[in-house]
Amino acid sequence: NFMLTQPHSVSESPGKTVTISCTGSSGSIASHYVQWYQQRPGSAPTTVIYEDNQRPSGVPDRFSGSIDSSSNSASLTISGLKTEDEADYYCQSYDSSYQGVFGGGTKLTVL
Amino acid sequence: EVQLVQSGTEVKKPGESLRISCKASGYTFTSYWITWVRQMPGKGLEWMGKIDPSDSYTNYSPSFQGHVTISTDKSISTAYLQWSSLKASDTAMYYCASLPGGQTNWFDPWGQGTLVIVSS
Repeated sequence: NFMLTQPHSVSESPGKTVTISCTGSSGSIASHYVQWYQQRPGSAPTTVIYEDNQRPSGVPDRFSGSIDSSSNSASLTISGLKTEDEADYYCQSYDSSYQGVFGGGTKLTVL
Repeated sequence: EVQLVQSGTEVKKPGESLRISCKASGYTFTSYWITWVRQMPGKGLEWMGKIDPSDSYTNYSPSFQGHVTISTDKSISTAYLQWSSLKASDTAMYYCASLPGGQTNWFDPWGQGTLVIVSS
């Protein structure tokens, strides 16, 4: 079974840059696009990155995504951290049967 | 504006049946797959399955296959998630989302979520 592994939590200070990783368990993470979703407490998830590195309209360019095939991982980088970025972040992709797969989620604390 | 609006909170007893809905607007309903995602209290997102509204083809996660049914009614642009016999462990928030670019595409937009509480 294809799985995505994220760190449970990360923390950083306002104005700094943080990177959240998402590592694929087997096969190539590049086989399907990776998405990143932000979920604030009490709210539905929203997309911050789709198709590895694309930002939906309305998402600030402080958010960026990348893929590293050598480590079979994806990354979400948030620069110029703001307190409003504090949320849970989930990576998502698909397995070889086109079934959706989520990472376990990373709680970002901006302190 | 593409929008998904879900039905309201449900409180049910173990063994009861339930169907929750997700009504789409702002686009041609049969153009985008619809997916369902579970979030148990205090936990992460779990992918349940998806459906192609154009032909009702479904693809379920093995974790949910046989326990839930995903369906659509094209005439009213609505997708459904249903259970024939609820368990206490089905207590969770359930989200629907559309896949604007195909069956391996991103989830957007998401519905607001439907809270299902199963308790005796």
